[in-house]
Amino acid sequence: GAVVSQHPSRVICKSGTSVKIECRSLDFQATTMFWYRQFPKQSLMLMATSNEGSKATYEQGVEKDKFLINHASLTLSTLTVTSAHPEDSSFYICSARGWGLAGYNEQFFGPGTRLTVL
Amino acid sequence: GQSLEQPSEVTAVEGAIVQINCTYQTSGFYGLSWYQQHDGGAPTFLSYNALDGLEETGRFSSFLSRSDSYGYLLLQELQMKDSASYFCAVRAPGGATNKLIFGTGTLLAVQP
Repeated sequence: GAVVSQHPSRVICKSGTSVKIECRSLDFQATTMFWYRQFPKQSLMLMATSNEGSKATYEQGVEKDKFLINHASLTLSTLTVTSAHPEDSSFYICSARGWGLAGYNEQFFGPGTRLTVL
Repeated sequence: GQSLEQPSEVTAVEGAIVQINCTYQTSGFYGLSWYQQHDGGAPTFLSYNALDGLEETGRFSSFLSRSDSYGYLLLQELQMKDSASYFCAVRAPGGATNKLIFGTGTLLAVQP
């Protein structure tokens, strides 16, 4: 149980285009989802926290108009990178936490999406 | 500000014991978690300490001292498959819910 999936796993796009990444909790309902960004050989940096049905809370320094987050249901959150540029190339990882998991103190992570902007 | 410091790299041999330290300074603290991440993969949960003391889970143990803002992950009977990055993460207040703030990460290399 407690599986989180992401789609796509890899995406390559041209500079200036928008990319949507989906995060799904497959066997539980996620009241809260988190989006992280990880550059090579660096730590996971929290970008935003989203609660189902409400606006996302962005961390300081993260542009909310550039990284659009939608958490429309208890099993799906999406991150849209708008007008992507090469510096947005990174590994984007979502995480989900919610009732019904074996241990509420755990956050379960998706496999990540590697975004390359040319 | 928030900071969680870890050694950048640790090398050990198979069968040995290794300790990865984590010192933290955060605005609020609920507990300390540890995650393992293989290259290009998802972080996987290893342990969680909310109270001072040692938590043991198989070959892995984790320790927390809240008064010292310090914790460590202890890996015993090292195996080659333990080669990975290890992150400590503080569960901290985050508006309507709490959030995980990750440490700088430690790359563990296990040698034969």
